[in-house]
Amino acid sequence: DSGVTQTPKHLITATGQRVTLRCSPRSGDLSVYWYQQSLDQGLQFLIQYYNGEERAKGNILERFSAQQFPDLHSELNLSSLELGDSALYFCASSDPAITDTQYFGPGTRLTVL
Amino acid sequence: ELKVEQNPLFLSMQEGKNYTIYCNYSTTSDRLYWYRQDPGKSLESLFVLLSNGAVKQEGRLMASLDTKARLSTLHITAAVHDLSATYFCAVYQYGNKLVFGAGTILRVKS
Repeated sequence: DSGVTQTPKHLITATGQRVTLRCSPRSGDLSVYWYQQSLDQGLQFLIQYYNGEERAKGNILERFSAQQFPDLHSELNLSSLELGDSALYFCASSDPAITDTQYFGPGTRLTVL
Repeated sequence: ELKVEQNPLFLSMQEGKNYTIYCNYSTTSDRLYWYRQDPGKSLESLFVLLSNGAVKQEGRLMASLDTKARLSTLHITAAVHDLSATYFCAVYQYGNKLVFGAGTILRVKS
């Protein structure tokens, strides 16, 4: 158990819908990262937040957005969902004061029908 | 753009034998990580390598980093069934990004 929690574990929805994935980082970690894992694209970095502010952006679609709240939990919002958005979405957190190792949560499996 | 290549992508191992996974990357970086993922599970941190010549060992796994060659290796000694999983290397890219390799699927045959 990494100490990073994610909800929900599974999400099944229809095309065109909007969903929100939630992540709570390890106690004391200020950085939160979001990743998408799919069979064709592998593990792709989406976005990073540090202490409430966006720090880095990867291959995140415009239909996707994220935020980090004052209590440091983060939400990833996915809208106008397409079949190709079906994937495993991971959240990770890290403490840059040490090795900056990212510790991954259990993931949310999103299925778009 | 940083590219990370792992090989092999699939490794069928016999119990008791030694194997090596290679991770090559295309641009300079000073940090490399190895992760393990069991089917349907999350990623577990194995090693972080922070400097040229760094070597880390845990049980039957040993990781090393050569920043000049832009190469990291994950060496498996005397493979056992418990090591069956997918192993990823991830390279730190300036701008707080981790770029992952495609992963190497390890299967240990009895």
